[in-house]
Amino acid sequence: GESVGLHLPTLSVQEGDNSIINCAYSNSASDYFIWYKQESGKGPQFIIDIRSNMDKRQGQRVTVLLNKTVKHLSLQIAATQPGDSAVYFCAENMERSTGRRALTFGSGTRLQVQP
Amino acid sequence: GAGVSQSPRYKVAKRGQDVALRCDPISGHVSLFWYQQALGQGPEFLTYFQNEAQLDKSGLPSDRFFAERPEGSVSTLKIQRTQQEDSAVYLCASSLANEQFFGPGTRLTVL
Repeated sequence: GESVGLHLPTLSVQEGDNSIINCAYSNSASDYFIWYKQESGKGPQFIIDIRSNMDKRQGQRVTVLLNKTVKHLSLQIAATQPGDSAVYFCAENMERSTGRRALTFGSGTRLQVQP
Repeated sequence: GAGVSQSPRYKVAKRGQDVALRCDPISGHVSLFWYQQALGQGPEFLTYFQNEAQLDKSGLPSDRFFAERPEGSVSTLKIQRTQQEDSAVYLCASSLANEQFFGPGTRLTVL
């Protein structure tokens, strides 16, 4: 079936480097994507979102890129800090068979920031 | 507090017991969602409420799972006759528009 997935389960970077987390999706009709950060023992926290009519969106130290041709999106974190260590999920806010929208999450990438 | 709260934070149940998990959404949020997150996996949709109406329960894994939101605010997820495969973190999220705000979750362990 349609799914949202991730390429790498774990990413280790040095403090101060830039991080890139990738995500592939399979539903070409998908039109709204969200990146979440989840720290241990906490619920997912919204980072940034992007709609399919955009290719790029920037936030504070984060940028999301969407390539609809290859159905791929990425999250770029600039000047990665120890506090960025967490699991990152891409999620698709998609319409279900009931006609209602809900989030479909990938399996996540663990980002480890080395001091 | 301004965020979504859930209780209990941790629950240990013996196989066959019934459990009830509570979610207090952000005041005024119309939409409420429940998700199940297995260890090492992303959250999976269970059910959705708009005010007190349960508009989508297609993600509930079996008829042992039941959710309610009788007054359009607090919601309870009930699992009857718990099984070991029910062990997971149960997340609640509320929203007013597109952005969903998640609670810390309830970690359920079924022995």
